Amino acid sequence: DTGVSQNPRHKITKRGQNVTFRCDPISEHNRLYWYRQTLGQGPEFLTYFQNEAQLEKSRLLSDRFSAERPKGSFSTLEIQRTEQGDSAMYLCASSGVIGEKLFFGSGTQLSVL
Amino acid sequence: GEDVEQSLFLSVREGDSSVINCTYTDSSSTYLYWYKQEPGAGLQLLTYIFSNMDMKQDQRLTVLLNKKDKHLSLRIADTQTGDSAIYFCAESRGDDYKLSFGAGTTVTVRA
Repeated sequence: DTGVSQNPRHKITKRGQNVTFRCDPISEHNRLYWYRQTLGQGPEFLTYFQNEAQLEKSRLLSDRFSAERPKGSFSTLEIQRTEQGDSAMYLCASSGVIGEKLFFGSGTQLSVL
Repeated sequence: GEDVEQSLFLSVREGDSSVINCTYTDSSSTYLYWYKQEPGAGLQLLTYIFSNMDMKQDQRLTVLLNKKDKHLSLRIADTQTGDSAIYFCAESRGDDYKLSFGAGTTVTVRA
């Protein structure tokens, strides 16, 4: 059990560029969640997967955001045409047999200049 | 989030007990959680409690749940400098286990 892994840890980009983040959940965890955290706030739910199926998307997830989990293992979160308001920490979490225990990764800190 | 509220700051002397409080609004919450976040890091699950329990103890941590008042607290005994961090209260409803978080309580441990 190596924990939830997120890459990259930091991403600096210019406004208008596309960025993609990756999350590797704990092995055999079937649920995977994406959250966004801005400075001074708690994490806010974005979307979640059960295996490869995306079951829910928050209204925070505009059409510039897309998430995938093609084989039910790792997941990617892509943001197109980034805006300064997208600057935040993007956190991934996973859960397995004990569904109520969510384990978080260290996050990807995005800065849009 | 607005469904979960916490006080923003707590200062405590090393060796004393810390008590962090949280209130939530939804009576259908099934699980309530405490997470710890250190600077630049992700969230570490400290403990969680099922809504039909009123207390859970795990080493230095004691969680108290008052379901009638929708009040959750975390007591940390013998607080150490390594306990300085932001503590988040969260709740989930239903079997999707989406968490709703409070804004976090920054705990500062002074010598």
